[in-house]
Amino acid sequence: EAQLVESGGGLVQPGGSLRLSCAVSGFTLSDHYMEWVRQAPGKGLEWVVRSRNKANSYTTEYAASVKGRFTISRDDSKNTFFLQMNSLNTEDTAVYYCVKTTTGNHFDYWGQGTLVTVSS
Amino acid sequence: DIQMTQSPSSLSASVGDRVTITCRASQGISSYLAWFQQKPGKAPRSLIYAASTLQSGVPSKFSGSGSGTEFTLTISSLQPEDFATYYCQQYNSYPLTFGGGTKVEIK
Repeated sequence: EAQLVESGGGLVQPGGSLRLSCAVSGFTLSDHYMEWVRQAPGKGLEWVVRSRNKANSYTTEYAASVKGRFTISRDDSKNTFFLQMNSLNTEDTAVYYCVKTTTGNHFDYWGQGTLVTVSS
Repeated sequence: DIQMTQSPSSLSASVGDRVTITCRASQGISSYLAWFQQKPGKAPRSLIYAASTLQSGVPSKFSGSGSGTEFTLTISSLQPEDFATYYCQQYNSYPLTFGGGTKVEIK
């Protein structure tokens, strides 16, 4: 069964940067689309970014709220998926989940999440 | 962007009740609709995709229906472990968008 474990969250000042990691197991990372989804405290779910698989040249899609500030990447050899977050602001405070997507383009497995707090 | 609207935003129900949650899309999304369950302090769990197909391991008391712009999630007989917040999500086009959630509480 697929497992996803996020790390790298924490407290950062406005304007700062943070890099989240998602270590995966139980499946071949390069075969799958991967996503980051976030949830602000007490709020609903917000899709952040998609990384397509190797067969689709790892192309990406970003939510407008993070485009130009966040960058997705992956190291398939280390089974790890990353989210580089720059120019953070208080509205980026959230639990960030990495999510595996099936070949049918829908989400299936979720990580446990990592909390990012942007505050001075 | 496609807006996803869930109703109701919350409901109170008793163990054994049949519960139905509605999700409406602001434009047609064919059957590219998924449902998720989230319990407090936990990650979401994928329940249904393609509007009506259960994820592996999801019990058959959950069912989904609809296409186009109107969708429903039904829990046939509510059990204590089903009290949670439920979200719909469209994956027809970018940005992928979620409904605001429906919180199912114990009456």
